[in-house]
Amino acid sequence: QKEVEQNSGPLSVPEGAIASLNCTYSDRGSQSFFWYRQYSGKSPELIMSIYSNGDKEDGRFTAQLNKASQYVSLLIRDSQPSDSATYLCAPETGANNLFFGTGTRLTVIP
Amino acid sequence: GAVVSQHPSRVICKSGTSVKIECRSLDFQATTMFWYRQFPKKSLMLMATSNEGSKATYEQGVEKDKFLINHASLTLSTLTVTSAHPEDSSFYICSASLSGYPFTDTQYFGPGTRLTVL
Repeated sequence: QKEVEQNSGPLSVPEGAIASLNCTYSDRGSQSFFWYRQYSGKSPELIMSIYSNGDKEDGRFTAQLNKASQYVSLLIRDSQPSDSATYLCAPETGANNLFFGTGTRLTVIP
Repeated sequence: GAVVSQHPSRVICKSGTSVKIECRSLDFQATTMFWYRQFPKKSLMLMATSNEGSKATYEQGVEKDKFLINHASLTLSTLTVTSAHPEDSSFYICSASLSGYPFTDTQYFGPGTRLTVL
């Protein structure tokens, strides 16, 4: 049974702070990991992908991957109110399929 | 780049009718398209994986005769909800896998179709 665990939140951070979103996954075979952002009533939007252990930075976003611990995280620096959304962690499960967590709802307080 | 469209964005239909939803990759060729369903405050659930020119692969519990998927070209997949019932009311989202750039398993999502069955 494949599982993806995310704290459902809500996670509230003040504007300008760092938001830290965490995800653990059960499938040791997963090699690719994706973070999506989903605004209420909208479809997911790709933020970042990560494939190797360590950190990957893209603008205000940093993804961190530790395959040994089956853990992937997303840091958002200088959080903005527009970052308020649900963040979905999605490990690849083989055959190009993704398995989505329930997401963490982030609220950035102005 | 990597834009995926869906049509219609919203549809209301009567119970027992069929509804077709189109998913198009606008600026790339997608060898694989995916159909998801999302109920309010729930996670995305994969319904089926569709490869161009072949039969779709359905996830366990998804009725293939009720949710007909056709992937006729590298840029178009359709989902037809047949004999729709109120419990089929949901947010249906397609995604397309961008082959080879930057990695073969990057999925880009369409804007979704909100189906309401009366």
